Amino acid sequence: QKEVEQNSGPLSVPEGAIASLNCTYSDRGSQSFFWYRQYSGKSPELIMFIYSNGDKEDGRFTAQLNKASQYVSLLIRDSQPSDSATYLCAVKDSASKIIFGSGTRLSIRP
Amino acid sequence: EADIYQTPRYLVIGTGKKITLECSQTMGHDKMYWYQQDPGMELHLIHYSYGVNSTEKGDLSSESTVSRIRTEHFPLTLESARPSHTSQYLCASSRDRATDTQYFGPGTRLTVL
Repeated sequence: QKEVEQNSGPLSVPEGAIASLNCTYSDRGSQSFFWYRQYSGKSPELIMFIYSNGDKEDGRFTAQLNKASQYVSLLIRDSQPSDSATYLCAVKDSASKIIFGSGTRLSIRP
Repeated sequence: EADIYQTPRYLVIGTGKKITLECSQTMGHDKMYWYQQDPGMELHLIHYSYGVNSTEKGDLSSESTVSRIRTEHFPLTLESARPSHTSQYLCASSRDRATDTQYFGPGTRLTVL
């Protein structure tokens, strides 16, 4: 079992809808959780991080963390074509190592 | 906004050549990392450093070496480039605090002929 798992997609969402991206992790002692966006041929850029259970909102993005279920998600409201990218989930585990998932490809269709 | 730089951005080189990929950050971050990523594939950690004179190998077996003589500088060296080294190399840095948020450089796309 991979330490950080994401559905590879592609996830296709109509413009204006909510895109929901999911990530599960295996280390129950994980401390911090990150979402990165990566456009094709570019480097990952941080969208947001979360370390407490519950929701964290930043503009159109909401990160949700449920440590009991070992689950972190990213919601993108009012999806735009410019949101089409690969989204990487990263987890700081109990050994303080940062583990990246393999990413979910998101496609926003006009 | 992260200030982390990588040079060169693109490099095409012949087999057997020695190359050094440069990475510098001006944020005073303690931790630095090198990742390898093929197009459409996942990130693989190849080296990391927790500070000056600290270097560790990552999860992906690599024929490269790194050094950390100065906080801001973390170069990656391939002693003898091979076509299997063709990939994108990404440098990242983070401050040694609770969240450890990593910031990435623009990457170096290496092609070995």
